[in-house]
Amino acid sequence: QKEVEQNSGPLSVPEGAIASLNCTYSDRGSQSFFWYRQYSGKSPELIMFIYSNGDKEDGRFTAQLNKASQYVSLLIRDSQPSDSATYLCAVNPPGTASKLTFGTGTRLQVTL
Amino acid sequence: NAGVTQTPKFQVLKTGQSMTLQCAQDMNHNSMYWYRQDPGMGLRLIYYSASEGTTDKGEVPNGYNVSRLNKREFSLRLESAAPSQTSVYFCASSEPGSYGYTFGSGTRLTVV
Repeated sequence: QKEVEQNSGPLSVPEGAIASLNCTYSDRGSQSFFWYRQYSGKSPELIMFIYSNGDKEDGRFTAQLNKASQYVSLLIRDSQPSDSATYLCAVNPPGTASKLTFGTGTRLQVTL
Repeated sequence: NAGVTQTPKFQVLKTGQSMTLQCAQDMNHNSMYWYRQDPGMGLRLIYYSASEGTTDKGEVPNGYNVSRLNKREFSLRLESAAPSQTSVYFCASSEPGSYGYTFGSGTRLTVV
């Protein structure tokens, strides 16, 4: 079982719709969760992090964490073509200091 | 504000050649990391340095060595390159317990 699992996609949503990206993780003791966006040929950039159960909102982005279900998601409201990218979920497992384990990413396509 | 700077951006090596990938950060971060990114495999940790003078193996350290030269610089060396080391390499830095990594722009390495 992979430590961090994501559907590779592509996830295709029309412009203006809500995109929902999902991630599950295997280590129940994980405390920190991150979402990175990576455009093709570029490096990952941090867009959200979440530590506590529940929702965290930042502009059009909402991260949701459910530790009991070992599930973290990213919602993108009012999706724009510029949101088309690969979204990487990353988890900080316990006992690993600040090291992150990454999922393989979900490719999002926002269509006109 | 440069953030994390990696050199070179592109490199082609012949099997058996050696090279060093350079990474420097100007954010006064203690922790630095080297990851490789391959299609379908996601980002995998090669080596990690929690602070100046310390290094630790990650998930895929074989064939690589690292040096944490000072707080700013963390280099990755391939002693005898192999085609399996063809990949995109990312350096990153962070503060322990912080809000995620800052990545460099990456090095695209091809070994023929």
